[in-house]
Amino acid sequence: AQSVTQLDSQVPVFEEAPVELRCNYSSSVSVYLFWYVQYPNQGLQLLLKYLSGSTLVESINGFEAEFNKSQTSFHLRKPSVHISDTAEYFCAVSAQGAQKLVFGQGTRLTINP
Amino acid sequence: EAQVTQNPRYLITVTGKKLTVTCSQNMNHEYMSWYRQDPGLGLRQIYYSMNVEVTDKGDVPEGYKVSRKEKRNFPLILESPSPNQTSLYFCASRGQGGWIQYFGAGTRLSVL
Repeated sequence: AQSVTQLDSQVPVFEEAPVELRCNYSSSVSVYLFWYVQYPNQGLQLLLKYLSGSTLVESINGFEAEFNKSQTSFHLRKPSVHISDTAEYFCAVSAQGAQKLVFGQGTRLTINP
Repeated sequence: EAQVTQNPRYLITVTGKKLTVTCSQNMNHEYMSWYRQDPGLGLRQIYYSMNVEVTDKGDVPEGYKVSRKEKRNFPLILESPSPNQTSLYFCASRGQGGWIQYFGAGTRLSVL
C-alpha cells in the first residue's frame, strides 16, 4: 500500500518570496506522483505530475517539483509566489499499474502582501 | 467542455433522511470515484467504479452506497445520513490507461 505525508499543514509566506511545500511518500513498488491544487471554493486541479523520465517537472504557472527516489520525496517549489497562489495543495501517489490515488493531508499556502 | 458535474453544490439535511448526490462526466471515462475531504485528513476514497456495473469499496465506505448503471453517471447515496458524514465530497473520473483524475467542484454536505 502507498501513503503520503505532507509535513506542513499550513505555510504562510510573503508575496514574491520563495516557497517549498514538502511531500514524502511510502511505497514498496514504483509510483506515479502528483500535485493537485484547490483554490478557495473550487474542486481540485492537477498542477503537475511525475510519471517517468526527467525527475524535475514544471507547471505552466511557475511551480516545479523534483522526484527524489532515494529520499522518497516530491517537494513542490516556486521561486516567487503571488497572491493568486493562495490555495490548498495536495500531494498524491499512485502505484504504477494501479487505479487508486492516495492523497496527503494537504498544505494550506497563505500569501501575505 | 470536458467536465465532471456534481449536484447539489450545497446541502443541509437532517439525520436519517435519505439523500443522493449526483455525479456526471462527459469524457467517456471508465473510472469514477467518490472522495470525502475533511480538515487534516486530506481526501479519502469512499467508493470507486472501474466501469458500468463494476463498483468497489474504497477506504471509508461505511454509510454510503453507489451505483453505476450508465458510464457517465455515478451517484453517491446516503441511506441514513449521520452527523459524522458532514463533509466536502468530490467526484472524480479518469480514462482507462490515463493517470490524471478530473474532479468535480464539490458538494458541501451538512447533516444536523
